[in-house]
Order: sequence, then C-alpha cells, then structure tokens
Amino acid sequence: GIQVEQSPPDLILQEGANSTLRCNFSDSVNNLQWFHQNPWGQLINLFYIPSGTKQNGRLSATTVATERYSLLYISSSQTTDSGVYFCAVVNYGGSQGNLIFGKGTKLSVKP
Amino acid sequence: EADIYQTPRYLVIGTGKKITLECSQTMGHDKMYWYQQDPGMELHLIHYSYGVNSTEKGDLSSESTVSRIRTEHFPLTLESARPSHTSQYLCASSDSGTGGGYTFGSGTRLTVV
Repeated sequence: GIQVEQSPPDLILQEGANSTLRCNFSDSVNNLQWFHQNPWGQLINLFYIPSGTKQNGRLSATTVATERYSLLYISSSQTTDSGVYFCAVVNYGGSQGNLIFGKGTKLSVKP
Repeated sequence: EADIYQTPRYLVIGTGKKITLECSQTMGHDKMYWYQQDPGMELHLIHYSYGVNSTEKGDLSSESTVSRIRTEHFPLTLESARPSHTSQYLCASSDSGTGGGYTFGSGTRLTVV
C-alpha cells in the first residue's frame, strides 16, 4: 500500500518563529489532507489539498503531486499551534480508497 | 449546522463489559469510518462503510464490530471490553459524490480497567 512519511517527527519553536512541515508519499494520490490534533485529541481539518497551493491565515500548504510531496507552512507561530500535525492521503488504486495517515509531526511552541 | 458527533467523549469501564460508541453525522455523507489511535501514535483504520448495510474491516485488526442501518449512524460495539482496548476511537465521514475530504468527530477516549 501507499506509504506516507512526515518530517521532522518533532519540532520545538519559539513563539513567533516560522516552520515548514513535509509529507512525502510513495504513490499518486486522489486526496491529501493536513490535520492538526490538539492536546485534547480532537482532529481539526486544516487543508484539503490534493494539488496546488492554499492559504488560511498564518497557515498555507502546497502539494506537488507529480513529485509526491506536500508542505505545510506555519508563520508567526503561537503557543496554540502546539500539537501533532498529520498528513493523510487517499489512493483510489490502493487500499479501497481510504485515508492513510503518516506518523505525524509533534510541534511544541514555547512562549 | 452539519457536523459529525461522537458520544461519549470519555469512558472508563470495567473489564468484560459490553460497550457501544456512538457516531452520527448530519452531512448526508455516504462513507463513514472508524479509526483507532493510541496516545502519541498514528491513526489506523479499523472499520469502514460505503453505505447502508455495507461494512468492511480496515487495515488494523480489531475485536470490535460495527453496523450501518441508517446513513447517518455508524456505531461501534465491543462485546467484552479488555484493557488492551484502551485507546482513542475517532469516527469520520466523507462524500464519494463530491470527492471531498474527510470530516472527523471529536473522538471517544476509552479506558478499560
């Protein structure tokens, strides 16, 4: 099945810093989503981005489908950005078209 | 407001008890899913349904069972809970017609003592 690799696994930032999270995937995808899981375990959808670039406030994401990677940018980080960021993909030719998750990037933003 | 709801949010239960985790969505999505997640770990698909009376097992083996009698409702049942079932269970839905993304519920954090 399709493999999803996220880097870095852990990231510590000072408040106000910028960061880039990366997601590599091993096959073509029909769907790619970025999620933020807060300390209470809730999974919040950030972007649905199988290709192209999207922006939402301080967050933006770019997926280059032909090169099989996606990037999540966080600018001017805040302590509320802390948590785990997951990349997840769907490959309709693979596992019945269900969402497959990477292991996540754990982000800690210090005040 | 269209959304996906899970109850209970937290559950502590004794070994051997039967439990049902509820999941309902008001978005009219045809596909629904259950994921299991241990603390600090990735999510693994344990069950999915592509419509009423359709259920399949996911990539991670689970002793739980599911049913899909109504489009909006996808409960998960454990007949006899064990400490190894302690985990977070997240329900999600998606619409095959629009090919859009998944929406997740708030999750149920289950502890079996």
